[in-house]
Amino acid sequence: TQLLEQSPQFLSIQEGENLTVYCNSSSVFSSLQWYRQEPGEGPVLLVTVVTGGEVKKLKRLTFQFGDARKDSSLHITAAQPGDTGLYLCAGARDSGGSNYKLTFGKGTLLTVNP
Amino acid sequence: EAQVTQNPRYLITVTGKKLTVTCSQNMNHEYMSWYRQDPGLGLRQIYYSMNVEVTDKGDVPEGYKVSRKEKRNFPLILESPSPNQTSLYFCASSFGLFRGELFFGEGSRLTVL
Repeated sequence: TQLLEQSPQFLSIQEGENLTVYCNSSSVFSSLQWYRQEPGEGPVLLVTVVTGGEVKKLKRLTFQFGDARKDSSLHITAAQPGDTGLYLCAGARDSGGSNYKLTFGKGTLLTVNP
Repeated sequence: EAQVTQNPRYLITVTGKKLTVTCSQNMNHEYMSWYRQDPGLGLRQIYYSMNVEVTDKGDVPEGYKVSRKEKRNFPLILESPSPNQTSLYFCASSFGLFRGELFFGEGSRLTVL
């Protein structure tokens, strides 16, 4: 059972369209991160959300953490070809003794066509 | 420049020939980790280290070894590689996982024939 479910797995849209990617779980997370990975490179952190209900904006990207800290969404407005990539969510949970475990979703592969 | 450096970036080897993938970070991070990324399976953690001389298994540790003798270095060792270890490997580091903010290397693509 995948702890963090991302949807959709694949998304192909035209430049200028809006889109939303979802990251869902039945577990509560102390924080949740979104990363973007381009071909041939490692994932790069986009944002961290910590508080339930928190909304963060990064230019045309809007990230929201669910009130119960179990889910998150990433909304992109007016997508551009440069937004193409694999979007990964990751949740941090307290595994005891002040240690935290990070779990990744399988990712959403976004293609924005010119 | 803050970075995580992995070497080699690409490697083709044969079954049973021991190899080491090096990882070095210049951010004085205590936490370091190795992941493998495979199509349809996502990122899976192999081993991680909370600090010098402190290492622990992740979700898929079989066939791998690690060591953490210095804070900046965290090499991944494949004592006897097998074809099912063909994968894209990432090293990552962090100040701490409460905020889960990992800095990743550029990846090492390994092919075992």
